Amino acid sequence: QLVLTQSPSASASLGASVKLTCTLSTGHSSYAIAWHQKQPEKGPRYLMRLNSDGSHIKGDGVPDRFSGSSSGAERYLTISSLQSEDEADYYCQAWDNGGVFGGGTKVTVL
Amino acid sequence: QVQLQESGPGLVKPSETLSLTCTVSGFSVSSGCYWGWVRQPPGKDLEYIGNISPTGSVYCKPSLKSRVTISLDRSKNQFSLKLSSVTAADTAVFYCVRVCASGMFYIDSWGQGSLVTVSS
Repeated sequence: QLVLTQSPSASASLGASVKLTCTLSTGHSSYAIAWHQKQPEKGPRYLMRLNSDGSHIKGDGVPDRFSGSSSGAERYLTISSLQSEDEADYYCQAWDNGGVFGGGTKVTVL
Repeated sequence: QVQLQESGPGLVKPSETLSLTCTVSGFSVSSGCYWGWVRQPPGKDLEYIGNISPTGSVYCKPSLKSRVTISLDRSKNQFSLKLSSVTAADTAVFYCVRVCASGMFYIDSWGQGSLVTVSS
């Protein structure tokens, strides 16, 4: 059974960088994922899909400061030059006979 | 650019059926992507409910399968969710989504969400 594990929270200062991790369960390390952003009082937004080799394709209008990378069973989302509007919940999502979500990481901009 | 918008009652009584419709603009529901539903109970994680293909083939999360109906209305460019025998545990924000395939299936568009409360 596919399980995606995310740390509950992360924080960084305005203008700094933060790297979020999504860990795929054993036996699923080759899976691609998607990253989504959920800002307060807004619907979620698709950010990118990220392959096991680190290649990624971002959604329309997603700023350059968002990037993805991979290592083994881990998938990363890096947000550079943090802005106040980046304060949000970030979810990874994969597919295994239906959608599967991680528990989300709440990013706080200090 | 595709846009999705949920509509339906915000309050449903226990044991009744929750019904939501998603209106799609900017993309035909008969084209190559799937159409799905996701929910998030207050303070809890996102949960994938199920989806329907352009040809009408349906997938539902096994634990919800007995209560879920997902349908497509090509003439109105809409798709719908029905969840029967609801309880308070079904209270959630419901999102309609577009699911596309390009090497993997992934959600690439979301509606704004519709809060449905189950209460008498």
